[in-house]
Amino acid sequence: AQSVAQPEDQVKVAEGNPLTVKCTYSVSGNPYLFWYVQYPNRGLQFLLKYITGDNLVKGSYGFEAEFNKSQTSFHLKKPSALVSDSALYFCAVRDSMNRDDKIIFGKGTRLHILP
Amino acid sequence: GAVVSQHPSRVICKSGTSVKIECRSLDFQATTMFWYRQFPKQSLMLMATSNEGSKATYEQGVEKDKFLINHASLTLSTLTVTSAHPEDSSFYICSARGLTGGNNQPQHFGDGTRLSIL
Repeated sequence: AQSVAQPEDQVKVAEGNPLTVKCTYSVSGNPYLFWYVQYPNRGLQFLLKYITGDNLVKGSYGFEAEFNKSQTSFHLKKPSALVSDSALYFCAVRDSMNRDDKIIFGKGTRLHILP
Repeated sequence: GAVVSQHPSRVICKSGTSVKIECRSLDFQATTMFWYRQFPKQSLMLMATSNEGSKATYEQGVEKDKFLINHASLTLSTLTVTSAHPEDSSFYICSARGLTGGNNQPQHFGDGTRLSIL
């Protein structure tokens, strides 16, 4: 069975500082990992994914995420936060062992960037 | 690329009304579309997986007669909330995945539909 955890309900960071949004996962096979961002009253926007290859994945809007197999983590990072990064962030996972198409979303982490 | 259009963005209607929500992939073909429901300050709850030309697969606890899904073409899936009641009020979001690249490709989401039943 696959699962994903985002241990923080919210993260507050001052503008210009680096940010990290945490995500850990559990799968039976290999993980396919995704990060999405949601702005108020909008759908989710895809940021980046890890399927295979380099552990450091670069995505949209200057975000990146590091896949750590030993810690089963896929934390989202950005070197310098912007106020416009304030939003709800979702980590998602799909288990390569699953035959269905479903991906599982974490509960979300609300990111507040303080001016 | 990979734009998903969801319509309408907001619906307010009386209890007992049936409401249809459309989800279109504008610049790609999608064999699989997903319908989610999101409660305030909560994550997305998958309601059903819709495959073009076949019956939708509903998640446990989701009433298939209540939430009718039709995926008639590679670019359009519809969700009809039949005889809606106030407890059906929620934010409904669709997503689509393209034909190419396999099951590890990201889903692309519509902007959601805010349904309010009075």
